[in-house]
Amino acid sequence: QVQLVESGGGLVKPGGSLTLSCVASGFPFSDYSMTWIRQAPGKGLEWISYISSSSTFTNNADSVKGRFTVSRDNAKNSVFLRMKSLRVDDTAVYYCARDQSRGLDVWGQGTTVTVS
Amino acid sequence: DIQMTQSPSSLSASIGDRVSITCRASQSITTYLNWYQHKPGRAPNLLIFGASSLQGGVPSRFSGSGSGSAFTLTINNLQPEDFATYYCQQSYSTPFTFGQGTKLEIK
Repeated sequence: QVQLVESGGGLVKPGGSLTLSCVASGFPFSDYSMTWIRQAPGKGLEWISYISSSSTFTNNADSVKGRFTVSRDNAKNSVFLRMKSLRVDDTAVYYCARDQSRGLDVWGQGTTVTVS
Repeated sequence: DIQMTQSPSSLSASIGDRVSITCRASQSITTYLNWYQHKPGRAPNLLIFGASSLQGGVPSRFSGSGSGSAFTLTINNLQPEDFATYYCQQSYSTPFTFGQGTKLEIK
């Protein structure tokens, strides 16, 4: 079935680095743009990073610009979020999602990042 | 960046009620507006895309309307499973910002 599975979350100290992975299955991964979204404790959803299907175009929210880098490996049906210079306010559940051009129609279950 | 503002921030309603949630964009986004339902501990679920198109598998009691900068999500005949937080999101230009959310609670 169509599925996204995130991994790589964990506890990291301020200033540290972490790389999240999201593996897709059940659909032609290379045909779709992908997005990372996060939800901090008690807060709403925050769009943070986007990568087009062929990696031609990427975009990050101002809150993570210069610290987070999105990439993908279409041969491995995977999208990654490399996070550096982590701050306490980066603590959140991180979701990857499939972008159907109008709306994020498939989401992973999320992976938790705690910066403390 | 385009700012998305939802109202109300929270809403109490009863089973069987009809409720509406409003989302306003800081500039015109034509119909590049999506609505999501989010329950605690679960992944968000796309309900409406393109302002008014119902995502496959979503009950027809959910509907969306609007264009330009003002949009509405309407839920008819509220069911127990509809109590959740709802978010709008613009997909007109990056960053594809979300509204702050509307929490729908049981009265």
